[in-house]
Amino acid sequence: GDSVTQMEGPVTLSEEAFLTINCTYTATGYPSLFWYVQYPGEGLQLLLKATKADDKGSNKGFEATYRKETTSFHLEKGSVQVSDSAVYFCALPSDTGNQFYFGTGTSLTVIP
Amino acid sequence: NAGVTQTPKFRILKIGQSMTLQCTQDMNHNYMYWYRQDPGMGLKLIYYSVGAGITDKGEVPNGYNVSRSTTEDFPLRLELAAPSQTSVYFCASSYSASGGNEQYFGPGTRLTVL
Repeated sequence: GDSVTQMEGPVTLSEEAFLTINCTYTATGYPSLFWYVQYPGEGLQLLLKATKADDKGSNKGFEATYRKETTSFHLEKGSVQVSDSAVYFCALPSDTGNQFYFGTGTSLTVIP
Repeated sequence: NAGVTQTPKFRILKIGQSMTLQCTQDMNHNYMYWYRQDPGMGLKLIYYSVGAGITDKGEVPNGYNVSRSTTEDFPLRLELAAPSQTSVYFCASSYSASGGNEQYFGPGTRLTVL
């Protein structure tokens, strides 16, 4: 069945470092792909998405490119800030279109 | 436009007690979901609904019940609370689960069963 596999954490980076969080997916067809972010004590919120192959989603300096050749949707940011400390989830809709599948989440801590 | 609202924010239950977690959305979304998130873990789907009057089980439905009498409301009922149900519960909604439609999440209910 459809699923996402996400890089395990936790990840600790210094401010202004480069960030990559890996996400690969298994799916029938080419579903939309999502990255959600969860700040401490809050619910998840959409960070970015891509709706078709080769699309690049971007928001708040984060980017992810939908690569069907490698079935990947890696999250990147060129220079992280302390305020980016959060848990990041990769997600895709199920093939039945009834629900979403989430990765296990990657915790990021950025230290000054 | 309040989005997805959940009540209560926090609750402590004794073993064997029951309670209902409330979830309301004002975006006229067809799809609604209940997840639980255990400490340091990802999300697990408890139940979902694709419209009023239609509900279905997710990955971890045991010990829970839901109903969907209106488009706006999707309450989650815990019967006979157990310590294993200590978790943070998130309600979410979406227009659909396809076509690039995202999920909108509520702020969560933190439940402790002692």
